[in-house]
Amino acid sequence: QSALTQPPSASGSPGQSVTISCTGTSSDVGDYNYVSWYQQHPGKAPKLMIYEVSKRPSGVPDRFSGSKSGNTASLTVSGLQAEDEADYYCSSYAASNNYVFGTGTKVTVL
Amino acid sequence: EVQLVESGGGLVQPGGSLRLSCAASGFTFSTYWMHWVRQVPGKGLVWVSCIKVDGSTTYADSVKGRFTISRDNAKNTLYLQMNSLRAEDTAVYYCARGGYISAFDIWGQGTLVTVSS
Repeated sequence: QSALTQPPSASGSPGQSVTISCTGTSSDVGDYNYVSWYQQHPGKAPKLMIYEVSKRPSGVPDRFSGSKSGNTASLTVSGLQAEDEADYYCSSYAASNNYVFGTGTKVTVL
Repeated sequence: EVQLVESGGGLVQPGGSLRLSCAASGFTFSTYWMHWVRQVPGKGLVWVSCIKVDGSTTYADSVKGRFTISRDNAKNTLYLQMNSLRAEDTAVYYCARGGYISAFDIWGQGTLVTVSS
């Protein structure tokens, strides 16, 4: 199972929006609405930010939103804040109880 | 407080074995799928293995036949038995709860496994 493709980096100024793409195949992202997104600060464990493409767990700000079209999912962070600077990973269910993560995107708040 | 705490990492020689543990607390462990995910320092996340509520298991191709995931619901503990270890298995290993259907909603702090002679 190949990793989902994400851009290595993305950036924006405070208050702006940034969108990260996550491209898979018809066997993972394109076939299931089980895409999730994770935020990881340096030296810390990942944190779930979005599940089932666009749902937010309790406590996650509504500045974080997700969507999907075909084989590509996206995470948008609106109203960028300094604490949003982190690595972000997508993940998708990939049949037969297998899972695949994205390559990761480093978000920089300028 | 919902919590996962990994232990058992360390330095092991190529070809050696190691068993990781993940102690769960604050939730009904037996009712959740559980996963192991690893991350080479400075690199991305990689899913390793999953164990369902009924004890059935799945593995990434890279560890199939070498790693065994198991759970002890009486002890609220998840395990990963790693045999025939290779240098490329060097990583931080996280246990994660499978919540919200196919998402990893709770993560441990990770335990570092280093395979080197």
